[in-house]
Amino acid sequence: DADVTQTPRNRITKTGKRIMLECSQTKGHDRMYWYRQDPGLGLRLIYYSFDVKDINKGEISDGYSVSRQAQAKFSLSLESAIPNQTALYFCATSDPDRGGADTQYFGPGTRLTVL
Amino acid sequence: GENVEQHPSTLSVQEGDSAVIKCTYSDSASNYFPWYKQELGKRPQLIIDIRSNVGEKKDQRIAVTLNKTAKHFSLHITETQPEDSAVYFCATRGSTLGRLYFGRGTQLTVWP
Repeated sequence: DADVTQTPRNRITKTGKRIMLECSQTKGHDRMYWYRQDPGLGLRLIYYSFDVKDINKGEISDGYSVSRQAQAKFSLSLESAIPNQTALYFCATSDPDRGGADTQYFGPGTRLTVL
Repeated sequence: GENVEQHPSTLSVQEGDSAVIKCTYSDSASNYFPWYKQELGKRPQLIIDIRSNVGEKKDQRIAVTLNKTAKHFSLHITETQPEDSAVYFCATRGSTLGRLYFGRGTQLTVWP
């Protein structure tokens, strides 16, 4: 789904470095999310935003921060990367319909390795 | 917050057999129950969803059933094929238009 893009797709960094993962969407959705995927732990929510002025913490926000620069852009930052932040990171967008359905459209993912 | 438990974590079936994955949830206000499929190296994608006012929904070989009293819902795949091999995630939404809560996923393997 080219409507949701993530950069970079792969990143190797060292402990203590600050890094930023970027997400852009052309779907016109107000809602955006950052998830982390680790084997056996599923998709865990880091932060989410329901509109440009709205930022909410998920279950695992410690060590992360986000910025919603525009409706189309949502960035995730690791202020000081540590090895246990090595994971696959997904950005997603959604737009609830009148019936209450809220399909999430995921980006291709960013594989982050912290050495 | 909502607590979603998904079982089993791994499931192996022979091609042509049926597969069932079950999820339980804690919030009785949950009203939306989607299922996502993630093929190896790909992103998760919605395959089917159900609202709280419906007990069952089918789409070709897949179906989802919901038991609100017992607070559980299940994904049923019939006549499984090797291309059904993937990780499947259930999810719930605890309040109207809130965020989703995902289960930990089930790795389904279909052997030819």
